[in-house]
Amino acid sequence: EVQLLESGGTLVHPGGSLRLSCVGSGFSFSRHPMSWVRQAPGKGLEWVSGISGSGGDTYYADSVKGRFTISRDNSKNTLYLQLDALRVEDAAVYYCAKEVWAGTTFLSEDWGQGTLVTVSS
Amino acid sequence: SYVLTQPPSVSVAPGQTATISCGGNNIVSYSVHWYQQKAGQAPILVISHDADRASGIPERFSGSNSGNTATDSENTATLTISRVEVGDEADYYCQVWDSHSDHRVFGGGTKLTVL
Repeated sequence: EVQLLESGGTLVHPGGSLRLSCVGSGFSFSRHPMSWVRQAPGKGLEWVSGISGSGGDTYYADSVKGRFTISRDNSKNTLYLQLDALRVEDAAVYYCAKEVWAGTTFLSEDWGQGTLVTVSS
Repeated sequence: SYVLTQPPSVSVAPGQTATISCGGNNIVSYSVHWYQQKAGQAPILVISHDADRASGIPERFSGSNSGNTATDSENTATLTISRVEVGDEADYYCQVWDSHSDHRVFGGGTKLTVL
């Protein structure tokens, strides 16, 4: 059974930093691209960042580029998201998602339960 | 960047058919995926590649992406839920992968209310 367990969400002040983690199990972690998707309170899903299975390729939404850094440690089956220069509008539940490359597209096949990031002074 | 447009809400009576649209420029050239998110839960994959049901998803769920206008570049993909049940009440999101930017793009979501 695929499991994705996020952690690291907490209350942080504007301008602060935070690192989120996501531990994967039940699948071959290094063979899958991974993504972070966030959901602000009462709002829809917003893709934040993605990373290839090897970690060599990374992608970012324009709203977080230059402030967030995605990475992974395949020896620990763990995905990370470093959040710097946080803004009030970054407050959200952050989900990690296991992706598959399905020939012509990426899709998020499995999701974690999310970790809550609150940004407030 | 690529934009997907969904109606904010759809309401339907139990046993009826719900249709949720997802509009995008030339969307017929994209592979569209649909996710269901029930209140307080994480999203789950419902439909992939326009019309393929994910594992464990009832046959009542179907998808299409064939475009429906001859004169407008704004086409729509559609999620159809037949014989709607109270348990289908959720938010539904369409999503594509934009190969030009390598970004994943979500629609704004549609809240399905079962009256």
